[in-house]
Amino acid sequence: DIQLTQSPPFLSASVGDRVTITCRASQGISSYLAWYQQKAGKAPKLLIYAASTLQSGVPSRFSGSGSGTEFTLTISSLQPEDFATYYCQQLNTYPLTFGGGTKVEIK
Amino acid sequence: EVHLLESGGDVVQPGGSLRLSCVGSDFAFPSYAMSWFRQAPGKGLEWVSAISSSAGSTHYADSVRGRLTISRDNPENTLYLQMNNLRLEDTAVYYCARRDGGYRFDYWGQGTLVTVSS
Repeated sequence: DIQLTQSPPFLSASVGDRVTITCRASQGISSYLAWYQQKAGKAPKLLIYAASTLQSGVPSRFSGSGSGTEFTLTISSLQPEDFATYYCQQLNTYPLTFGGGTKVEIK
Repeated sequence: EVHLLESGGDVVQPGGSLRLSCVGSDFAFPSYAMSWFRQAPGKGLEWVSAISSSAGSTHYADSVRGRLTISRDNPENTLYLQMNNLRLEDTAVYYCARRDGGYRFDYWGQGTLVTVSS
């Protein structure tokens, strides 16, 4: 199985900060990586797919980069509504797997 | 607007059975592969099972293989998850999601809660 290691597991940042979350795959997955945002009690929301493509309707302050085994999600200017948990997911190989999540707290 | 609506979640005893349903609307349901995911209380996301658009191919997580069965009824725009021999560790919110091409799950249902408890 492909393991995804997400870091950090928790971060606290101020409104306006630039935030970066990293996802490392245990083997190469090309660009078959997606990022999701999940708020408490809600379903995950797709932010980024194919490692760097912004999903329609998602604010442009979200961006993704990487390929192979190293990926990043960046929020260029953190907003209060970005308080949530973020997950990476690999879609390259079954079983599909997720990173452990990054909980973002607004200072 | 694409919509996915799960139902069927309930409280069930260990060893019991349950069938979850997910009805898709406002999109060409027969054209899309679908998956079930779950999230145990306070835990992360876990993929459970996948089925191709024609139901010709299915995949399962090791933790559920042989106990959970995914299926679909394309004329009825419905995805199913038959859950047998349920265990305490199957307690979770179960989500269905649409896979659009190879790179994304773009629409998710709101989830249905399965609680396995004696």
